[in-house]
Amino acid sequence: GQQVMQIPQYQHVQEGEDFTTYCNSSTTLSNIQWYKQRPGGHPVFLIQLVKSGEVKKQKRLTFQFGEAKKNSSLHITATQTTDVGTYFCAGWRGTSYGKLTFGQGTILTVHP
Amino acid sequence: DTEVTQTPKHLVMGMTNKKSLKCEQHMGHRAMYWYKQKAKKPPELMFVYSYEKLSINESVPSRFSPECPNSSLLNLHLHALQPEDSALYLCASSTYQEGSMKLFFGSGTQLSVL
Repeated sequence: GQQVMQIPQYQHVQEGEDFTTYCNSSTTLSNIQWYKQRPGGHPVFLIQLVKSGEVKKQKRLTFQFGEAKKNSSLHITATQTTDVGTYFCAGWRGTSYGKLTFGQGTILTVHP
Repeated sequence: DTEVTQTPKHLVMGMTNKKSLKCEQHMGHRAMYWYKQKAKKPPELMFVYSYEKLSINESVPSRFSPECPNSSLLNLHLHALQPEDSALYLCASSTYQEGSMKLFFGSGTQLSVL
């Protein structure tokens, strides 16, 4: 079945450092989404990428979708303590509406 | 209103109990979901309802029984659960549009099975 691999599993950074998490799908995706889950919280939608090679920015966050629509990345510039949480990518193949495949998540810790 | 409301927030039940989890949304979304999440793991899809009909069942054991009474409500009936079923149960909803699957998650029910 479809797999979405996400690395790294854990990332510890000092406040102000940059952070990147990567996702790679075994199959071509129709779109990919990113979610953030704060400790003790629930996943919150960040963004959806649809087009090949798409790049989107939200303040300090930059999201990319690969040309082959099989990989994606999330980059945070100058991390803050409010960035702490788990970041999940989730891919959709375009069939079987509703069936997202989540990556394993990257747990981000930011030390002040 | 962009909220998905889940009740209860916490639930402790014995293996012989019957309980229900409830989920409500008023965003007009026509797709609703149940996910199970273990600590430090991604959400695992259990069921998808689209237009109040069950469209996906990810081979979930029959001790979990979903119900969608109307377009705003989603229930998960629990019976004879096992301790390994202890987890965070998340409800989500989304618009039912091709190419758009932005999920709105509820805050979840933390379930402990004793």
